[in-house]
This record gives sequence, structure tokens and C-alpha cells, in this order.
Amino acid sequence: QKEVEQDPGPLSVPEGAIVSLNCTYSNSAFQYFMWYRQYSRKGPELLMYTYSSGNKEDGRFTAQVDKSSKYISLFIRDSQPSDSATYLCAMCHPGYNKLIFGAGTRLAVHP
Amino acid sequence: DVKVTQSSRYLVKRTGEKVFLECVQDMDHENMFWYRQDPGLGLRLIYFSYDVKMKEKGDIPEGYSVSREKKERFSLILESASTNQTSMYLCASSGQGGNQPQHFGDGTRLSIL
Repeated sequence: QKEVEQDPGPLSVPEGAIVSLNCTYSNSAFQYFMWYRQYSRKGPELLMYTYSSGNKEDGRFTAQVDKSSKYISLFIRDSQPSDSATYLCAMCHPGYNKLIFGAGTRLAVHP
Repeated sequence: DVKVTQSSRYLVKRTGEKVFLECVQDMDHENMFWYRQDPGLGLRLIYFSYDVKMKEKGDIPEGYSVSREKKERFSLILESASTNQTSMYLCASSGQGGNQPQHFGDGTRLSIL
């Protein structure tokens, strides 16, 4: 079993929809959680960075962590065609440099 | 903003060649990483370095080596390139200590013929 599971998609939604992207993990020691967005032929860029449980909002993006269920989510409100990309979740143990990545979910937002 | 620059976006090499991939970061980060990214396999860590001249193996180090002579520069070396090393290679850096997010370059798409 992988430490981090992420549905690869693809996920196709109409413009304006609310998108929910999710990851589950098995290691309860993870405390720091990140979401990256990767456009085609580009490197991943950091989107959200959260610690422990709770919500964090940044514009149209909300990151949610539920440590009791070992489940993290990224919500995108009012999705735009420019949000079409692959979204990767990542997490790490406290004090460690290495990140554990999910496989990434490919999202397509069509006009 | 953190800037991680990879020297080549696209590279074509022949089987058996020694290949060098270069990465430079401008944020004085202690940690640097090399990954490869393949469809269906996600990001896999090859090597990382937490200080000058220090290196640690990642999950798939076989066939690769690294060099970090200066803090800002981290090189990935394919000692004798093989076709199964055709991939997207991504470099990343992060600040001192654990729990830091990593910042990525735009990758080098390497083809070995």
C-alpha cells in the first residue's frame, strides 16, 4: 500500500463548478501538508501549505486537513479553464526534509 | 520569489553517454533534490543534498550520481545513459530544517536514444 493515495483522474468539470481534489494517507505522523499545481511541460508550483488539522483559504482555493480520517482536500471555487492542470498533494513528517507525493490528479475545466 | 533554474528544457543523448543535468537556485536554500517524473509513477526521489558536499540516496539512485560543490548548484549525473532513463527530471530546493515546502524548476525532458 502506498503511503499517499490520490485518484489520478482525469476529472472534467464545466467552468464555474466547485472542484474537490482529495488524498488519503496511512502514516499518522504526517503533520505538514501541501498542494502543488503542475501545468503541462512545467514544474510543480506550490499552491497551499498547511500544518495539522483545519482549513486554510487563499482566494478561490481552500485546503482542508482531517487528521482523524487521514484525509486532505483541496477545493477550487468558481473553477476556470486556467485551473486545468495536474494537482499533487504532498506531506512530510515533522523535522524531515523529504516530501511524500501523491500521484497527482489531472483536472480539465472546460468553457 | 524562489527561482530554481534547470540548464536545459530538452535534451537528447545516446545510450552509453555520460549526461550532466544542472540545477541552480537563488534563495540560499540548504536542501536540494532531484526527482524523475514518469506517467503513472508520479514523482520519484533520486538523490538529495542537505549541505555542500553532502548527499543522500533517495528511492531510485541506481544509475545516477550527484555533485554539490557549491550551495546554489546541484548536478545530476547519468554515468552511462540507458533508454530506461528517458524521463522528465525535476530539481527542487527547500530551506533549512524539516517541514519546508519544496520549490521546483521547470524540468528537463531527457530522451536517450
